[in-house]
Amino acid sequence: DTGVSQDPRHKITKRGQNVTFRCDPISEHNRLYWYRQTLGQGPEFLTYFQNEAQLEKSRLLSDRFSAERPKGSFSTLEIQRTEQGDSAMYLCASSFASGGAIYGYTFGSGTRLTVV
Amino acid sequence: ELKVEQNPLFLSMQEGKNYTIYCNYSTTSDRLYWYRQDPGKSLESLFVLLSNGAVKQEGRLMASLDTKARLSTLHITAAVHDLSATYFCAVDLTVGSQGNLIFGKGTKLSVKP
Repeated sequence: DTGVSQDPRHKITKRGQNVTFRCDPISEHNRLYWYRQTLGQGPEFLTYFQNEAQLEKSRLLSDRFSAERPKGSFSTLEIQRTEQGDSAMYLCASSFASGGAIYGYTFGSGTRLTVV
Repeated sequence: ELKVEQNPLFLSMQEGKNYTIYCNYSTTSDRLYWYRQDPGKSLESLFVLLSNGAVKQEGRLMASLDTKARLSTLHITAAVHDLSATYFCAVDLTVGSQGNLIFGKGTKLSVKP
C-alpha cells in the first residue's frame, strides 16, 4: 500500500460545470476525511466517513457539494455548478480509529481545482 | 469557536540560527500535530504530540506540548535551507465518534544563506 491516492492531481473546469474527485485511502484505515485548502491558508475540514457512514459535515459543505464512500473503500467528492470560489486544493486523508482513539492521519497529494 | 493561532505567520531566518514557532489553541485537546508543506505539495507529518509535556525531536526540529497552557512549540535549531517550507500545527478535536483536525494558518519559513 503506497498511501492515500487522489485523482486527478489537477482539474481545470469552467464555471457552472460539475466535477468529481476520487480518493483511495490506505486499505487498513476505516476513516476518510476531506479538507479544502485555499491559497495561504491552512486546510479546512469538510466532511469525514467512518467506513461507509458520513458522520460529520462542515458548514463549508454547501448543497452543491456531495461526498460518498460506497462500501467503505474509496470516496468521491462531487461539486455541482462550480463557482470561482471553489478553486482550491482538495485534500483527502485517512486514519484508523478504534475505541475512541485515532492513530494518526495520512494525507494524499491533493487535487488542485481551478474554476475559470 | 475553536481557534488555532500560529505565530509568526512569516519567518525569514539565516542559516545556522535558532527560532521557535508558537501554536496556541482555544479548546481542550491533548493531541496536536505538526505538518510540513512544500509549495504545491501535500502535508507531510512531522510530529504527533499525545500528552501534556510531550517532547519529540527529529533532526533540527523539536516539538513540545503544554496542554494546560494550550500551547505547542516547534523549535528550529541551526536552520538550513532545506527547512524552507510552510509549517502547520493542527489540533485534534477527536471526542467519541467525532474527529477532525483544526489547522492554524501556517508559518511560512524561509531560510537564507
